[in-house]
Amino acid sequence: SQTIHQWPATLVQPVGSPLSLECTVEGTSNPNLYWYRQAAGRGLQLLFYSVGIGQISSEVPQNLSASRPQDRQFILSSKKLLLSDSGFYLCAWSSRQVYNSPLHFGNGTRLTVT
Amino acid sequence: AQSVSQHNHHVILSEAASLELGCNYSYGGTVNLFWYVQYPGQHLQLLLKYFSGDPLVKGIKGFEAEFIKSKFSFNLRKPSVQWSDTAEYFCAVKIYNQGGKLIFGQGTELSVKP
Repeated sequence: SQTIHQWPATLVQPVGSPLSLECTVEGTSNPNLYWYRQAAGRGLQLLFYSVGIGQISSEVPQNLSASRPQDRQFILSSKKLLLSDSGFYLCAWSSRQVYNSPLHFGNGTRLTVT
Repeated sequence: AQSVSQHNHHVILSEAASLELGCNYSYGGTVNLFWYVQYPGQHLQLLLKYFSGDPLVKGIKGFEAEFIKSKFSFNLRKPSVQWSDTAEYFCAVKIYNQGGKLIFGQGTELSVKP
């Protein structure tokens, strides 16, 4: 069966420090991958999605970037964190082989920038 | 730009009351529609989905939703809510010619009083 791993679960970082959140998927190949940010009262904001290795689409201008160095690995990064980057970040995948595949979410990372 | 709008930010009901959560989207092309639920302290779970065919879809735990294409709506309903339905509910739209990205509404928090 497919599983998605996202780490760390919580992270506290000072302003100006770098960030790297990692997400990996097991049990499937060539998935669509997504990074969302969840904020109270604002739902889930799509940050990036990827349909293949090295292919990244950015949805909103921001201080963050994403990379997909391997088929089932999706990384969210920042060179210098801002206070406004605090939030709950969710990685998700969907199948490109299964028509109308829903998204499957990881457990999320709670990022606090101090 | 495409968007998903959920009309109610917080709904408070007593047990056995009927529920209807509104969801509208803005996109004229082919879409797939989803409702996700997030119980307190848990990750997002798929509640139900619409792809084609019968516009009335049934999901888990007695939930159903009706797709009305002319109104660009996909409202979630349940005839009789339970205390265990207390959660946050997210409507989402999948855009097919854009890498299968899923756009979420801002969420509706449902509180059911015993």
